[in-house]
Amino acid sequence: EVQLVESGGGLVQPGGSLRLSCVASEFTFSRYWMSWVRQAPGKGLEWVANIKEDGSEKHYVDSVEGRFTISRDNAKNALYLQMNSLRTEDTAVYFCARGDNPNYWGQGTLVTVSS
Amino acid sequence: DIVMTQTPLSSPVTLGQPASISCRSSQSLVHRDGNTYLSWLQQRPGQPPRLLIYKISNRFSGVPDRFSGSGAGTDFTLKISRVEAEDVGVYYCMQATQFPRTFGQGTKVEIK
Repeated sequence: EVQLVESGGGLVQPGGSLRLSCVASEFTFSRYWMSWVRQAPGKGLEWVANIKEDGSEKHYVDSVEGRFTISRDNAKNALYLQMNSLRTEDTAVYFCARGDNPNYWGQGTLVTVSS
Repeated sequence: DIVMTQTPLSSPVTLGQPASISCRSSQSLVHRDGNTYLSWLQQRPGQPPRLLIYKISNRFSGVPDRFSGSGAGTDFTLKISRVEAEDVGVYYCMQATQFPRTFGQGTKVEIK
């Protein structure tokens, strides 16, 4: 069964940085777009970014453009989200998901931005 | 950005009875390739989202046939033919036709 396991979340001060990772298994990672979606506490889902199969195309929601960078390592079946200049409003559970139209989701990793 | 508007935001339903959720987009979701990338996702309490329906009406693997999707252009509907206890949760529509991808606000389905 498809598995996506996120890690790297935690508590960080405003202005700080964090790198999220997502390790995929039980499918051919290099054949799929991959996405990050977040959910603030008690709120709905917000699409953050996605990346094409070979990493040649990346897209971001405006609120993270220039601060977050999505990347992948197909040799390691891994997806990443480098988050810089973090703001309190970035506090959320971050989900890794398979596909541009996400069909499998990880359990998520919590990022808390607070002083 | 395409705005996705769901109604109702809360839907108390009786077990065994049908439920329906509407999703309206601010622009047509017909992609230049001819497909309409409108999906429905379910999020049970404490769980990650789960894909139910993609491209308006296609049930994803393992999704019970009591879930169905319909619609076209800017108006879409998710129907549950007979609500079961395990269907409690929040349902989201999502468009993947245009960047940035956007979700509806979510509709909470609960048992009366």
